Amino acid sequence: KAGVTQTPRYLIKTRGQQVTLSCSPISGHRSVSWYQQTPGQGLQFLFEYFSETQRNKGNFPGRFSGRQFSNSRSEMNVSTLELGDSALYLCASSSGQVNSYEQYFGPGTRLTVT
Amino acid sequence: AQSVTQPDIHITVSEGASLELRCNYSYGATPYLFWYVQSPGQGLQLLLKYFSGDTLVQGIKGFEAEFKRSQSSFNLRKPSVHWSDAAEYFCAVASFSGSARQLTFGSGTQLTVLP
Repeated sequence: KAGVTQTPRYLIKTRGQQVTLSCSPISGHRSVSWYQQTPGQGLQFLFEYFSETQRNKGNFPGRFSGRQFSNSRSEMNVSTLELGDSALYLCASSSGQVNSYEQYFGPGTRLTVT
Repeated sequence: AQSVTQPDIHITVSEGASLELRCNYSYGATPYLFWYVQSPGQGLQLLLKYFSGDTLVQGIKGFEAEFKRSQSSFNLRKPSVHWSDAAEYFCAVASFSGSARQLTFGSGTQLTVLP
């Protein structure tokens, strides 16, 4: 079974621009979560989507948003980029079933904001 | 609120030596605990998980972890470290709000393996 894929792997943007990152979960998985990883703040939860609905959200400003499509693929968008948004953005996939808790991570998208 | 503490930022061991990485958690209910490993430039790979039952859980790559409720700990161990184990290790606890879930991670422990 193919793992979680994320595109693009690397991205360089300018402050004030917006960016869209994409994640394809493991086949059959319906839950996608996003995390931001930075040296200063570590791994922080952004949001979780299940069946096209956001069912959990972390403590991030409204500039961070996401969505999920009917095929479970997910995108996250960051508008009005700031230098502090430079990070590794990780997508995690899980089945989303009641008794399933483990999450499987993709390789991440490295975003650099200049 | 849930939290995870990994007291050791960096650990250095010699190849072939045993390893123990510490993890302490804070969570009001029964914890669901995980260890992940991250190699440079890569995502996180799940090493093992604890949900319930036997407090000693086995994972991939020869790793094991022991859940100790009385100490709120979930330490990761390996009897003999290989050079390829050099990476960053993260402990995490799952939390739930209704059907929603998220992982809260510790700050990580960087493992260096000396030849």
